[in-house]
Amino acid sequence: GQQVMQIPQYQHVQEGEDFTTYCNSSTTLSNIQWYKQRPGGHPVFLIQLVKSGEVKKQKRLTFQFGEAKKNSSLHITATQTTDVGTYFCAGTSSNTGKLIFGQGTTLQVKP
Amino acid sequence: DTAVSQTPKYLVTQMGNDKSIKCEQNLGHDTMYWYKQDSKKFLKIMFSYNNKELIINETVPNRFSPKSPDKAHLNLHINSLELGDSAVYFCASSQGRWVYFGPGTRLTVL
Repeated sequence: GQQVMQIPQYQHVQEGEDFTTYCNSSTTLSNIQWYKQRPGGHPVFLIQLVKSGEVKKQKRLTFQFGEAKKNSSLHITATQTTDVGTYFCAGTSSNTGKLIFGQGTTLQVKP
Repeated sequence: DTAVSQTPKYLVTQMGNDKSIKCEQNLGHDTMYWYKQDSKKFLKIMFSYNNKELIINETVPNRFSPKSPDKAHLNLHINSLELGDSAVYFCASSQGRWVYFGPGTRLTVL
């Protein structure tokens, strides 16, 4: 079945360092969404990308959707302790319309 | 105002018991879900309801039975709880776009 793979599973960085998480789908996606889950909290929607090659920014966060609409990345510039949490990508299959979540990347930031 | 609410927040129970988790959304969304999040943070969809009709039923033991009395509510009943059912259960809703998650119910089976 369709899979959405996300790497790395965990990442520890020093405050101020950059961080990137990658998401890859086995099939073409109609859109990709990103969510953030703070420790002890629930996933919260961050952004949705729809167009091939689309790039969107939210302050220090940069989101990209691949040209083939099968992969995506989230890059955080100069991490802060408030960035701690688990970041999930979720892709909607072009074939089935199902939303599939990646396994998540848990980010730890050392002050 | 809470968009998606669920109760209880914590549930500790013995193996073999039956328990229910309630969920309500005030967003007017047509679709509601139950997700299970294990200790490794993996989010797995269990059920999806659209306008009170079941549309997704992933490979979930039939001890789990969702019930949607109306469009704004989706409850989850679990029979004969097992140790492996320990997880965080998230109710969620959407209107065809992104997903709004509830605060979660942490279920611990002893």
